Amino acid sequence: GAGVSQSPSNKVTEKGKDVELRCDPISGHTALYWYRQSLGQGLEFLIYFQGNSAPDKSGLPSDRFSAERTGGSVSTLTIQRTQQEDSAVYLCASSQAHANTGELFFGEGSRLTVL
Amino acid sequence: EDQVTQSPEALRLQEGESSSLNCSYTVSGLRGLFWYRQDPGKGPEFLFTLYSAGEEKEKERLKATLTKKESFLHITAPKPEDSATYLCAVQAGGNNRLAFGKGNQVVVIP
Repeated sequence: GAGVSQSPSNKVTEKGKDVELRCDPISGHTALYWYRQSLGQGLEFLIYFQGNSAPDKSGLPSDRFSAERTGGSVSTLTIQRTQQEDSAVYLCASSQAHANTGELFFGEGSRLTVL
Repeated sequence: EDQVTQSPEALRLQEGESSSLNCSYTVSGLRGLFWYRQDPGKGPEFLFTLYSAGEEKEKERLKATLTKKESFLHITAPKPEDSATYLCAVQAGGNNRLAFGKGNQVVVIP
């Protein structure tokens, strides 16, 4: 596909379980972002990957959250011991090199519900 | 810390009734201000980038303007298909992240 692909589109889990969310960026895009969007809130930055550089993890809300990007392409966001406040839509975006133009291409998101 | 405040939170317009959305920002060394459109259940879609005060960008019925403290998104003669949430974001110099506002939810009634 030509766009950013995210899976699963919906995930319902029980409190305390671990979840993995996957993002497949646009081919050739070296920059990859994860954002979180909660009901009534703006997009909250989580983490940024750029090529082989060390990721900017400054937005991760706790040590239960981690992310990796393998081979400069696919990324996985992992949430351990999920809590109800983790319920949100997790959005992935990619862009060419640095986002100097601000043109990020977003996927449709993974909606996480923690019961 | 970069801050973005959008107003009004929600707006209902009659088809053809022009209006403006406001985005006020506080950022250390603005690299760029960005407007996105988000439809329900979808990811945001890029509209415009503005780099400096006085700059304007247009696309169909949308026109974005920028001052040193705020940006406006003008919607001229809107149609129902312009119904969406419009998101404003800023990027500070030397920063990788875009800081987003909560959005302006626009409904255009036929």
